[in-house]
Amino acid sequence: GESVGLHLPTLSVQEGDNSIINCAYSNSASDYFIWYKQESGKGPQFIIDIRSNMDKRQGQRVTVLLNKTVKHLSLQIAATQPGDSAVYFCAENRRSNDYKLSFGAGTTVTVRA
Amino acid sequence: DVKVTQSSRYLVKRTGEKVFLECVQDMDHENMFWYRQDPGLGLRLIYFSYDVKMKEKGDIPEGYSVSREKKERFSLILESASTNQTSMYLCASRGTTGDEQFFGPGTRLTVL
Repeated sequence: GESVGLHLPTLSVQEGDNSIINCAYSNSASDYFIWYKQESGKGPQFIIDIRSNMDKRQGQRVTVLLNKTVKHLSLQIAATQPGDSAVYFCAENRRSNDYKLSFGAGTTVTVRA
Repeated sequence: DVKVTQSSRYLVKRTGEKVFLECVQDMDHENMFWYRQDPGLGLRLIYFSYDVKMKEKGDIPEGYSVSREKKERFSLILESASTNQTSMYLCASRGTTGDEQFFGPGTRLTVL
């Protein structure tokens, strides 16, 4: 079946280092991908998104890379800060132009001081 | 800023009770969603609505129903709560001009 998954459930990062969070997807029909951040006790918040006609998109301290050949998505966080500690979810739409999303299980990022 | 609010942050109910979870958004969004979030499973779609009085089942609709009488409000109903419905419930909304879903803070429901 179709699924969105993150490679690692947890990631520990030293403050100041760069973080890379990975996500694999299996639905070739997906054309929209999005990353959310969820802090403890809060709902998911949008970080960055990317469409399938792009390979890379940059935001403030974050970069999303999309490799359609191997169906892989990654989120890079530059100069990780304590406030980046959270659960990160990738999601994809279920088919082209569909607004329903399929979510991965999430990666818990812990920033070490 | 889009604001999605949920009626309760924490709720404790007994098995067999009827439970109402309310969600309100203030951005005139057409699409609204209810998810449940469980450890290791991510977010799973229960129901969604693409317009007033319109609804469609998501991936796990069993044991739930929904109501959308007004555009800004989307309610999730547990007709007879069971212990396996203990979970975090998240509401989201989305407009027609963007792809991003905006989430509420969640309701942590415990069924005893």
